[in-house]
This record gives sequence, C-alpha cells and structure tokens, in this order.
Amino acid sequence: QKEVEQNSGPLSVPEGAIASLNCTYSDRGSQSFFWYRQYSGKSPELIMFIYSNGDKEDGRFTAQLNKASQYVSLLIRDSQPSDSATYLCAVNMDAGGTSYGKLTFGQGTILTVHP
Amino acid sequence: DGGITQSPKYLFRKEGQNVTLSCEQNLNHDAMYWYRQDPGQGLRLIYYSQIVNDFQKGDIAEGYSVSREKKESFPLTVTSAQKNPTAFYLCASSPARGNRYEQYFGPGTRLTVT
Repeated sequence: QKEVEQNSGPLSVPEGAIASLNCTYSDRGSQSFFWYRQYSGKSPELIMFIYSNGDKEDGRFTAQLNKASQYVSLLIRDSQPSDSATYLCAVNMDAGGTSYGKLTFGQGTILTVHP
Repeated sequence: DGGITQSPKYLFRKEGQNVTLSCEQNLNHDAMYWYRQDPGQGLRLIYYSQIVNDFQKGDIAEGYSVSREKKESFPLTVTSAQKNPTAFYLCASSPARGNRYEQYFGPGTRLTVT
C-alpha cells in the first residue's frame, strides 16, 4: 500500500511565527509533490508544488523536498490567523506515467495560528 | 473565466434513491477525478478518467458509477448500493501530462441521505 503520512496535529503557532508542516511518503519513485490548503467546509486549494530536491519559495511559503529521506515539508513564514486551515500533502507516485495523474493524499495537518 | 463547477452545493435525498452529482471543467484538462471526504478524514478516490469514454475505479468505487461522454464533464452517480453515501464529494481535474500532475478542485457537493 502506497502511503503518505502527515502529523494530524493540531499544530498551534502564534501569529508571526514559522509554521512547519511535515509529510513522508512510502514510494521512492515518486516524482511530484503538492501542498493543498483546505479551509473548514471548503474544497482544497493548491498552494505549492515541487518536483526537485531542495527548496522552492513562493511568498511566505517554502516547500522543501528530500527524496533520499522521502520527506517533503511546507514552511509558512510570518504566520497569520488567516493561515488557520487543514494542510494536505499529496504525492504522485507514478514515475511510469500510467496512473492518469493519480495523487495519494495524506490525512492532513490542522494548523491554528493564534493572535 | 476558467474553472471547475459542481452542482448542486447541497443535496438531500432519501435512502434508496440514486442521485447524480454534476462536474464540469473548462480548463481543457484531460484527466478528471472524484473524491469523497468524510468529517475529519482525508480524500478517498472514487473514480478517475484520463480520456473520453474511459475511466478507472479508485479505492472506493463500490456503490458509485461515472461516465465521461465529453472532455468537459464527469458526472458521478451515487447508487442505492452505496451503504454510507452521506459525505462531501469533490471533483478535480488535472492536465495529467508531461510533469503537470497538479489537481484543481471544484467547490464540492455536500450530500445528505436520510
């Protein structure tokens, strides 16, 4: 069973702090990695994707990928109360291109940013 | 204005009735997906489709059916055989080619069966 694991949280950080969200995956051949944000009662929204080892920055968000350790993380700098949501990690575990772009999702980490 | 639409937003049905959820996209994406999300749970894949007239079962296909007669449309039918149909249903689409595997979600349909 190919799996994606996240700490369910909740993760609570003060406003202005760095929130660090972690994700591990089981398939070493995985190629594409995604972070989604889901507000309560709403659908998931894509916020970051990363394909290569290292860091990728977009505004206050940084995705970090370490394929050797099968680990991907999301850092949120200067956290705001509006960042309070569930964050879903998703992995495309198909290097051969036969899975029609299927993503395997983690259970999500609940983040609360308190003023 | 490109995007994915799902209708209706809320749907109520009596037990034993089949119900069809609509999903339309104008992003020119090849692949489309249906997920189910239960409270406090992650996303579980029901069905997915890469091309017109072709679709595959996901992890929890029992009690559901789909069709893909047009590239833009991927309706999901929740049949009376689905034992626990009450859930939040999410449709997504993806380019699913090259290295473009990101999925974009519609707003979802919340189905309640009593």
